[in-house]
Amino acid sequence: DTGVSQNPRHKITKRGQNVTFRCDPISEHNRLYWYRQTLGQGPEFLTYFQNEAQLEKSRLLSDRFSAERPKGSFSTLEIQRTEQGDSAMYLCASSFSGVTGELFFGEGSRLTVL
Amino acid sequence: GDSVTQMEGPVTLSEEAFLTINCTYTATGYPSLFWYVQYPGEGLQLLLKATKADDKGSNKGFEATYRKETTSFHLEKGSVQVSDSAVYFCALNGGSTLGRLYFGRGTQLTVWP
Repeated sequence: DTGVSQNPRHKITKRGQNVTFRCDPISEHNRLYWYRQTLGQGPEFLTYFQNEAQLEKSRLLSDRFSAERPKGSFSTLEIQRTEQGDSAMYLCASSFSGVTGELFFGEGSRLTVL
Repeated sequence: GDSVTQMEGPVTLSEEAFLTINCTYTATGYPSLFWYVQYPGEGLQLLLKATKADDKGSNKGFEATYRKETTSFHLEKGSVQVSDSAVYFCALNGGSTLGRLYFGRGTQLTVWP
């Protein structure tokens, strides 16, 4: 399967713990996005990479959130000191540069904070 | 700022019925407009798009026309099938080259045989 892969698919953690999600994009894609989706809502943009450079961050991304994309390949999204409000589906997507808006999404990583 | 307002669901139809899901947008520039679909247990996938006014996007029997005068991009299908049951998201890109999308809340469609 050459689609976008996300791991783990589901993470249950206690409040205050740190969690990390990984995204492996489609190999030819140089753009990578993180979105967050809560129940009954559409995806909300968190951050975006072009190759290894993080070019845009939403104000939704508090200082407890950090994302990296070393070497412009896979990406990680870390949430420190998790709060119950962080419970959501975290979506990763990738795309070609120059093809605006045509994102390929993974199946998401669901976070449950107890 | 840029935003999308989407028809509230859920929508329940019988097979072969006509479908319309309304979507209106607010944008400061010249956005591109999209419909994404999420089938049960799968990731979002692009259904169709339109990049300028009066363009019609189409795919799998679905159509949507970019109407600048009414700031709308309504999704239509003449005859729905059970396999069309999914959540549909309207989205826009605000004209930048970065690809950031603003999504609507989604509309759950259930089609009964």
